Amino acid sequence: DAGVTQSPTHLIKTRGQQVTLRCSPKSGHDTVSWYQQALGQGPQFIFQYYEEEERQRGNFPDRFSGHQFPNYSSELNVNALLLGDSALYLCASSFSGKPSYEQYFGPGTRLTVT
Amino acid sequence: GENVEQHPSTLSVQEGDSAVIKCTYSDSASNYFPWYKQELGKRPQLIIDIRSNVGEKKDQRIAVTLNKTAKHFSLHITETQPEDSAVYFCAANPRRALTFGSGTRLQVQP
Repeated sequence: DAGVTQSPTHLIKTRGQQVTLRCSPKSGHDTVSWYQQALGQGPQFIFQYYEEEERQRGNFPDRFSGHQFPNYSSELNVNALLLGDSALYLCASSFSGKPSYEQYFGPGTRLTVT
Repeated sequence: GENVEQHPSTLSVQEGDSAVIKCTYSDSASNYFPWYKQELGKRPQLIIDIRSNVGEKKDQRIAVTLNKTAKHFSLHITETQPEDSAVYFCAANPRRALTFGSGTRLQVQP
């Protein structure tokens, strides 16, 4: 049973560029949430996708956008990168049928903006 | 929105001692409280969780308690071992998104 997977593992981009990160949820899960974890801090919620739609959004600008595909995998896109976007981006999957919304994290993508 | 505060930020204990990490939350709609362990360079790993209709839950050396009235919950680790050394995060879930605390770096001295 495959867990949550993310790609790529590491990424280096220049200010102003755009980036796309990818996530495949755990088998049986249909909901994907994205989090940003700056160094030394707890993860911060970006948004959640369910049934191919953004269901909830955290306090992040419109430069952050996403998509969910019919197979439940998801992408996170960040436009006009800023130095402050450097962080570990975590994807978490869950099953909508569980009332407790247990979320399981992928290994993350380490994004460095120079 | 939800606000989760976590204390202490660092905790050093001797192997075999107990460790306690405390969190408070602000949104009374929160009904699910997970705890994650994150080792250096690795993903957060769910170690235990508690729902709002339960006051305490135990899993081997780990236990979590919840006081809904006071809006606080705690993680208790007994008989700590060096492999328990990591950063621990509490979180609360008022709707669907998790709001995390700022983390506690636990160091278990052998």
